[in-house]
Amino acid sequence: DVKVTQSSRYLVKRTGEKVFLECVQDMDHENMFWYRQDPGLGLRLIYFSYDVKMKEKGDIPEGYSVSREKKERFSLILESASTNQTSMYLCASSLRQLASPYEQYFGPGTRLTVT
Amino acid sequence: DQQVKQNSPSLSVQEGRISILNCDYTNSMFDYFLWYKKYPAEGPTFLISISSIKDKNEDGRFTVFLNKSAKHLSLHIVPSQPGDSAVYFCAASALGGSGDKLTFGTGTRLAVRP
Repeated sequence: DVKVTQSSRYLVKRTGEKVFLECVQDMDHENMFWYRQDPGLGLRLIYFSYDVKMKEKGDIPEGYSVSREKKERFSLILESASTNQTSMYLCASSLRQLASPYEQYFGPGTRLTVT
Repeated sequence: DQQVKQNSPSLSVQEGRISILNCDYTNSMFDYFLWYKKYPAEGPTFLISISSIKDKNEDGRFTVFLNKSAKHLSLHIVPSQPGDSAVYFCAASALGGSGDKLTFGTGTRLAVRP
């Protein structure tokens, strides 16, 4: 059974703190993604990675960075958390398939609150 | 610039009746479409997909219709069940695009009344 796990379900941080969100997948997928979900805005892509040490900006990368040192692990970093980064963060992974996009498998999400 | 739009934020349907969820897109490069279902406190799960070379794909109670000329797709659930109550996201992809990215809509919350 496929599995994407995220390090925390709920997280509360203070403004200005550095925040790490970890994601691990056990499916040997090449692609990994970080999204945030906000009411009325749906899922918006922050960053994605199609290989180890490779990363590309998504639609809303400002204020975030990522790290992918191993194939199974993709980390999202908030260098200096701000209140407008309070959100649900979702990690996903998928096989790399140039001919046809495979569905993405999602983790359970991390509800981050920045106070 | 919302390239994938779900104009109905919510929908309420009686159990046993048909649920129809709609999605519009603006990017003519999109050629693969997916629907995801999301329960509270869980990540989205894949439901059904359709390639642009088709106009219909069916899987049990779920059918997705694609109208390329109108840049419109819809998800039909027949018959609707209370367990179908969730938020539904449509998503689109452009084949050959970078990293197999998906662009998601804003979601429609479906409530199926017993």
